[in-house]
Amino acid sequence: GEDVEQSLFLSVREGDSSVINCTYTDSSSTYLYWYKQEPGAGLQLLTYIFSNMDMKQDQRLTVLLNKKDKHLSLRIADTQTGDSAIYFCAEKTSYDKVIFGPGTSLSVIP
Amino acid sequence: AAGVIQSPRHLIKEKRETATLKCYPIPRHDTVYWYQQGPGQDPQFLISFYEKMQSDKGSIPDRFSAQQFSDYHSELNMSSLELGDSALYFCASSLGLKDYEQYFGPGTRLTVT
Repeated sequence: GEDVEQSLFLSVREGDSSVINCTYTDSSSTYLYWYKQEPGAGLQLLTYIFSNMDMKQDQRLTVLLNKKDKHLSLRIADTQTGDSAIYFCAEKTSYDKVIFGPGTSLSVIP
Repeated sequence: AAGVIQSPRHLIKEKRETATLKCYPIPRHDTVYWYQQGPGQDPQFLISFYEKMQSDKGSIPDRFSAQQFSDYHSELNMSSLELGDSALYFCASSLGLKDYEQYFGPGTRLTVT
């Protein structure tokens, strides 16, 4: 079946890079997304990548997609305390369903 | 800049009651999406509308219905509420069917007692 998996927790020091990983199962996914949810707040679509791309960079964010391994990663450069949040990976499947992962809770240590 | 507005922000209902959640998209956005996020859970896509027509359907229970009106606002109607319906309900909007450029509202927290 369709599934998206992520590690649940990540802790990094302020100023370091964070890498959040995600694996998905639908090889026909069209889009892959990263959402951010700060404590007690709503969802924010952070970035996305089309399935025919390998990499996308947007300021401090770099998304890498390995279609062969069905692996997606989000790298946050120069991580700040304001980046502390839960990051959800999501895929849009070939059936146009959006499946979310369980979320990775990123803690940034000052 | 104007954002997505959801009302009410908080709602408390009893089992078997009905609830109506409203979503007002960003001006000129014609697509609305609904998500449900249970406590400590990942979001689940429920349903979306584009130009007042249903565009995608996700994990929306049969007890729920939704529609998009001529002014593009959307309402999610929930009947025969169950305890398990307690969740944050997010609405998002986009211009066209560009769900990769969604903007989310603050959410409505529904508590069913």
